[in-house]
Amino acid sequence: GAVVSQHPSWVICKSGTSVKIECRSLDFQATTMFWYRQFPKQSLMLMATSNEGSKATYEQGVEKDKFLINHASLTLSTLTVTSAHPEDSSFYICSARTPRTGDYNEQFFGPGTRLTVL
Amino acid sequence: GQNIDQPTEMTATEGAIVQINCTYQTSGFNGLFWYQQHAGEAPTFLSYNVLDGLEEKGRFSSFLSRSKGYSYLLLKELQMKDSASYLCAAMDSNYQLIWGAGTKLIIKP
Repeated sequence: GAVVSQHPSWVICKSGTSVKIECRSLDFQATTMFWYRQFPKQSLMLMATSNEGSKATYEQGVEKDKFLINHASLTLSTLTVTSAHPEDSSFYICSARTPRTGDYNEQFFGPGTRLTVL
Repeated sequence: GQNIDQPTEMTATEGAIVQINCTYQTSGFNGLFWYQQHAGEAPTFLSYNVLDGLEEKGRFSSFLSRSKGYSYLLLKELQMKDSASYLCAAMDSNYQLIWGAGTKLIIKP
């Protein structure tokens, strides 16, 4: 099956610093990648959708200047949380999708990154 | 608007059967997904339905009724490791997943 990796798995940082999270599709080319945030005991919340080589589409209420997304290649997307604050502490999950003719558009999830901002 | 409803929590006994229901309202429809998520981990794919009917896969089965906007996930021969959250997600006309809040399933011995 398709494998998606995320790095780092967890990160602790001081308030005001920036954190970069990488999402890689290891054995397939992902034309579209998604970034989700999940707070404890809540469902996944889509933050943005990114297509390779174009600007990300952010969901309403998500600050694009704070959550910078770069999808520079078909196998790598990065999310940078700029000037992180304690309220940004969350579980960040990426997923990747590649359209397959005659098949459904399944999303393959990375293992997630737990961010704690002190 | 788009909406997914599923129960917040369910409890079942090891070895028994449990059915988790999900109702959805979306702009267009391109299928219904069920994911399993253990605490602190990312979701893992369980099933996909786009046509009406029952799809069986081992101990897990998923049912869809498009006319009723309804799906359920059926888990048989429950094991302790099945304790997890089960997320229902409907894909809309833009191929975006609309997520339910998840059903926390507690399995008791």
